[in-house]
Amino acid sequence: QVQLQESGPGLVKPSETLSLTCTVSGGSISNYHWNWIRQPPGKELEWIGCMYNSGSTKYNPSLQSRVTISVDTSKNQLSLKLSSVTAADTAVYYCARNGDNGWFFFFDWGQGILVTVSS
Amino acid sequence: DIQMTQSPSSVSASVGDRVTITCRASQGLNSWLAWYQQKPGRAPKLLIYATSSLQSGVPSRFSGSGSGTEFTLTISSLQPEDFAAYYCQQGHSFPLTFGGGTKVEI
Repeated sequence: QVQLQESGPGLVKPSETLSLTCTVSGGSISNYHWNWIRQPPGKELEWIGCMYNSGSTKYNPSLQSRVTISVDTSKNQLSLKLSSVTAADTAVYYCARNGDNGWFFFFDWGQGILVTVSS
Repeated sequence: DIQMTQSPSSVSASVGDRVTITCRASQGLNSWLAWYQQKPGRAPKLLIYATSSLQSGVPSRFSGSGSGTEFTLTISSLQPEDFAAYYCQQGHSFPLTFGGGTKVEI
């Protein structure tokens, strides 16, 4: 079974860039589509964007101007960069995998990482 | 964007109860609807995908139904480990969106 583990700074200053990594084990990152999803404390889930196994990306329009998702196949890692962060970007950030059939449901999730935006 | 509206936002229930949660979409989804369970401090867990397909390892007391814009998640006999939050999610079109959640409480 594929396992995912997010990592990165837990505290980011306002106006700076949030950078997270998701390390995939138990399978090749090239075989699936991958997503970033976030959840502000006590609130609902928000899809940030995805990386297709082809290398193309799709982003939530609400974040598109600030988001970059990329893959390092040599390290089997997915990354997220979110620029010009504010307190509204404080959330638990998850990476998640689509199903084997490519459907956009999230079959495997990382444990999540809390990122707080504060000076 | 497709808006997903869940009801109720919370439900009080007892072990053994039958619980039904509804999710309404602002436009038709065909069958592109999933349900997740989330316990405090944990990542969501996929229960049901494509409206009614049970994810591997999920107990058969969970079931999903619906079509078009209205979908339901049913827990046939609530167990202690089922007290959690439940979210629906549409996989029909971008941006992918989630419902606001339903908290199942004692």
